[in-house]
Amino acid sequence: DAGVIQSPRHEVTEMGQEVTLRCKPISGHNSLFWYRQTMMRGLELLIYFNNNVPIDDSGMPEDRFSAKMPNASFSTLKIQPSEPRDSAVYFCASSFTGLGNEQFFGPGTRLTVL
Amino acid sequence: EDKVVQSPLSLVVHEGDTVTLNCSYEVTNFRSLLWYKQEKKAPTFLFMLTSSGIEKKSGRLSSILDKKELFSILNITATQTGDSAVYLCAVVCPNYGGATNKLIFGTGTLLAVQP
Repeated sequence: DAGVIQSPRHEVTEMGQEVTLRCKPISGHNSLFWYRQTMMRGLELLIYFNNNVPIDDSGMPEDRFSAKMPNASFSTLKIQPSEPRDSAVYFCASSFTGLGNEQFFGPGTRLTVL
Repeated sequence: EDKVVQSPLSLVVHEGDTVTLNCSYEVTNFRSLLWYKQEKKAPTFLFMLTSSGIEKKSGRLSSILDKKELFSILNITATQTGDSAVYLCAVVCPNYGGATNKLIFGTGTLLAVQP
């Protein structure tokens, strides 16, 4: 199994631009999670999906952030417009059924907004 | 406000030492506690703890939960340089009558094992 796949691995963009991060969960997993990690705030859960349905998006920082999961094998996290304070590493993780089970993390996308 | 606190924030030891990492929590509702290891990449799962007093063990790593005193410890014996990492603790909190869950991470403990 290839594990959780994220793209791009690195993204550098200018303030105001739209950014789209992509994630392919492990086949057979039905829960998908988006996290953000910074030195200041540590690891934060942004949103998670069960069976492609968003369950809890209370961690999404503001309306500039949106996430979709159109099918079981693909999810996107979009930031529009991006701001310098969005610079962070964004992780996608997947698990089989639920938040309390072992989650497998992708390699992360390091986002830098200038 | 629900919170998870880890201590120490950082720790430097020598190979062969034994270390104990601490995780305490204050949450409205508790379901389970998770430990992760993060090196220069994504976190990797170590343990999930749901019951008090039952030790989980994997090689030189072990962990135990105390639901009365609201903490967990992660022990690493005979440390090796490859144990150098950030160790993250997270608590799963049921929400909305248990229909959904929240996951709250601590800020982590940075462990450096010197040869």
